[in-house]
Amino acid sequence: EVQLLESGGGVVQPGGSLRLSCAASGFTFSNYAMNWVRQAPGKGLEWVSVISVTDDTTYYADSVKGRFTISRDNSRNTLFLHMNSLRAEDTAIYYCVKRSGDGRGYYLDYWGQGTLVTVSS
Amino acid sequence: DIQMTQSPSSLSASVGDRVTITCRASQGISNYLAWYQQKPGKVPKLLIYATSTLQSGVPSRFSGSGSGTDFTLSINSLQPEDIATYYCQKYDRAPLTFGPGTKVEIK
Repeated sequence: EVQLLESGGGVVQPGGSLRLSCAASGFTFSNYAMNWVRQAPGKGLEWVSVISVTDDTTYYADSVKGRFTISRDNSRNTLFLHMNSLRAEDTAIYYCVKRSGDGRGYYLDYWGQGTLVTVSS
Repeated sequence: DIQMTQSPSSLSASVGDRVTITCRASQGISNYLAWYQQKPGKVPKLLIYATSTLQSGVPSRFSGSGSGTDFTLSINSLQPEDIATYYCQKYDRAPLTFGPGTKVEIK
């Protein structure tokens, strides 16, 4: 059974930093691209970032480009999201989401339960 | 970047009704379109991928169609457990943009 367990959320001041982690199990982590998707309170889903299996290809939403960095450790089956220069509008539940393959044309098939990030002074 | 729109933003229908939600991409995305269901307070769940392929375990009353820029999610015979917000998403290439969502309620 695929399991994705996010951690690292919490309350941080504007301008601060946070690192989210996602522990994966139940599948061969190193074979699949991974994503972060977020959802602000009462709002829709916003795709944030994707990373390829070998860590050499990453993409970001314009809203986080230059502030967030996605990375992975295939030896530990773990996905990360490093978030810097946080803003109030980054407040959201952050979901770790598995892609159905690697490269173009693969959909998102399994979601974690999410971790809440609140940016507030 | 390709933008995704959905209509309507919300709808109210009776149990047993056929419900149709439309998703439009600002440029062609072939059939790289997925639909997700998010029930209140829950995690989003994959319903349909490749425009019309049902994910394992999804009831057959759900169906998808379309190609290029125009896509449709249909619920044949709406059930109380289908109350949710439905999102389309393009996944041909990054950014993997979601539509704004359609909230489905029971009349």
